[in-house]
Amino acid sequence: DGGITQSPKYLFRKEGQNVTLSCEQNLNHDAMYWYRQDPGQGLRLIYYSQIVNDFQKGDIAEGYSVSREKKESFPLTVTSAQKNPTAFYLCASRLDRVYGYTFGSGTRLTVV
Amino acid sequence: EDQVTQSPEALRLQEGESSSLNCSYTVSGLRGLFWYRQDPGKGPEFLFTLYSAGEEKEKERLKATLTKKESFLHITAPKPEDSATYLCAVQAGANNLFFGTGTRLTVIP
Repeated sequence: DGGITQSPKYLFRKEGQNVTLSCEQNLNHDAMYWYRQDPGQGLRLIYYSQIVNDFQKGDIAEGYSVSREKKESFPLTVTSAQKNPTAFYLCASRLDRVYGYTFGSGTRLTVV
Repeated sequence: EDQVTQSPEALRLQEGESSSLNCSYTVSGLRGLFWYRQDPGKGPEFLFTLYSAGEEKEKERLKATLTKKESFLHITAPKPEDSATYLCAVQAGANNLFFGTGTRLTVIP
C-alpha cells in the first residue's frame, strides 16, 4: 500500500541536542511538507519542498532544517536553536490540488 | 490576514443525533477548502475538497458544503466511530494549507 511513513513515533530530546525526524513516501508525490501541531492551535507549516534539492521556509522555520536529496525522503532536523520543540510533527505530501494532502501518522517529540 | 475559525470547539452528540460543524474563513483568493478527520495520536485523514460556492460533497454519513464565507460539515445519524477531531483547512497560496483548530466530536452510544 502506498503511503507516508514517519519514524520514530515517539522521540525524546535532551536540552542542546539536535534530532532528526524521518519521513518517507512511496506515493510518487513531488511536493512534501512538514507541519507542527500544538494543543489548541492549528497545524503550522515549517518547511516544504516541491522538487528534489529544493525547499522553502514556511511560517515557523526558525530552529529547524530539512533536506530533499531523494523524491521519496524529506527528513526534518530539530536543532538546539528551537527553544520550544515539544510538539506533534506531521509530514505530508501532495499529488495535485484535487486530492489535497496525504499525511503521515506523526512523530511526538518531547524535551526531557 | 488569512484566518480560519472552526466552531464549536467541542461537540457531544447522542448516537443518531444529526448536527453540523462550521468552518468560517477569511482568505484572499481561495484555491480550495479541505476537511480532514484526525484520531488521537494519528495524522489527519483526507475527507473532502471543495472549490467553489455552492459545491457539495458526500461520503457515508458526512456531507460538506461551501459558501463564499464558510463551510459546513453535516453529520447525519452519527455513530460512535465518527468520534474524532474534524479539521478544516483553506488553501490560498500555492503551497500552504491554513488550518483551523478543529472541532472535537464525541458520539455517545
